[in-house]
Amino acid sequence: EAGVAQSPRYKIIEKRQSVAFWCNPISGHATLYWYQQILGQGPKLLIQFQNNGVVDDSQLPKDRFSAERLKGVDSTLKIQPAKLEDSAVYLCASSLVSGAPDTQYFGPGTRLTVL
Amino acid sequence: AQSVAQPEDQVNVAEGNPLTVKCTYSVSGNPYLFWYVQYPNRGLQFLLKYITGDNLVKGSYGFEAEFNKSQTSFHLKKPSALVSDSALYFCAVRDREIKAAGNKLTFGGGTRVLVKP
Repeated sequence: EAGVAQSPRYKIIEKRQSVAFWCNPISGHATLYWYQQILGQGPKLLIQFQNNGVVDDSQLPKDRFSAERLKGVDSTLKIQPAKLEDSAVYLCASSLVSGAPDTQYFGPGTRLTVL
Repeated sequence: AQSVAQPEDQVNVAEGNPLTVKCTYSVSGNPYLFWYVQYPNRGLQFLLKYITGDNLVKGSYGFEAEFNKSQTSFHLKKPSALVSDSALYFCAVRDREIKAAGNKLTFGGGTRVLVKP
């Protein structure tokens, strides 16, 4: 079974530029999550999708971050404009369902550096 | 609000010795508890989870964890550590009660494990 795929693996941008990350979850997984992991900290949930609907985006900085999952499969996370404090690893995860104690499976992450 | 504390930033252990990584949690209801491991430049890899039943949970790579409700703890253990166990370990908690706004997984800050030959 293929795991969660993410691209790019690394991205370096200047502040105020835009950036987008892509995630392809495990086949058949209805729930998709985006996390931000700042160096030295645990992952923090940014947004959770159930199929193509948003379940929780309470910690997403909506003035600059946006995410979509149009067909209930792949997802894109965008930052516009980026700030220095956005430097982090962005992790995508997926699970079969969200209501049960289902295991989340993580992709390798995208390491973003904002200069 | 739910939270996880991993009181040790780093744990050093000699290869072949027992390994323990500590985790305590806070949640309004009853918890689901998880352990993940992260190797350099890799995503988080699931180790084990506690749902219900036996307080001792066995997981991947010889790891196990013990749920202690009275102490609100879920410590990760391995009887004999390997150099290849050197990595970053994360404990996570989730409330059992199903919520319309989703059941967020909250992670601790992580504990770095260094196993020396």
